[in-house]
Amino acid sequence: GAGVSQSPSNKVTEKGKDVELRCDPISGHTALYWYRQRLGQGLEFLIYFQGNSAPDKSGLPSDRFSAERTGESVSTLTIQRTQQEDSAVYLCASSLGTLRYRTSGAPTNTGELFFGEGSRLTVL
Amino acid sequence: GESVGLHLPTLSVQEGDNSIINCAYSNSASDYFIWYKQESGKGPQFIIDIRSNMDKRQGQRVTVLLNKTVKHLSLQIAATQPGDSAVYFCAARILNSGGYQKVTFGTGTKLQVIP
Repeated sequence: GAGVSQSPSNKVTEKGKDVELRCDPISGHTALYWYRQRLGQGLEFLIYFQGNSAPDKSGLPSDRFSAERTGESVSTLTIQRTQQEDSAVYLCASSLGTLRYRTSGAPTNTGELFFGEGSRLTVL
Repeated sequence: GESVGLHLPTLSVQEGDNSIINCAYSNSASDYFIWYKQESGKGPQFIIDIRSNMDKRQGQRVTVLLNKTVKHLSLQIAATQPGDSAVYFCAARILNSGGYQKVTFGTGTKLQVIP
C-alpha cells in the first residue's frame, strides 16, 4: 500500500484477555518498529525488526508482550493477559532499514520512519 | 543507554510569531536526527531531518539547528500558524553493530498557537 496500515484502529478489551495488533508496512521497507504512546506522553520504543529478525527487543515491557514478522512484511504485536496499564496507542513505523554506504562511508538513506495511524487499545 | 528529552512540555505562541522547540539527547553516537509533528489522533509525520555532520538545515518555514558540543537540537518555525498546533517530537538515531538503526524519541512538546 501507499502508507503504513494498522489494524484495528480501536480495540476495547477486558482485563485478562489477549489482543493482537497488526501492522502492514510500506512495501519494500525492511525495517519495522513498534512504539507505545500513553495518553499525553511520548513514544516508548518496544521492538525493532530488520527483515523477519528482531535485533532489538529491549523495549518490550514484560513477557506478556511479543511480536513477530513474516515475509519481511506484516508484523503482529501480541499482548497476553492484558492489564489496564496496557491501555495506550500502539504505533507502527517502517523505514528503508539498514543503511547502504557509499564507498566514502557516507550513509545513502535518511532512515526516516513512516508511521501508521496507530491502534488505540483500551483495557477495561 | 540513550535518551532524548525536551525542555518544555508546552509552548504557547501568538499566531505570526516564531516558535522555538528544544530537545536534548544523551548519546553522542547519534548520527541523524528527525523532527516529527503529531496532530491529535494521528501518527507522527516527518517535518525535517539533519545529519550529525551539519549544524543547520532549512526547510519551508522550518529550521533545525544542531549543537553536538552540548548535544542539543532545536526546531524553529517561522510565522507560526494555527495549523502548526500539534505535539512535536525530536528523534535521534544510533547505528548499532551491523548497521542496524535504533530511533529513540523524546517526550514531546505541545505547541499551542493563539489566534
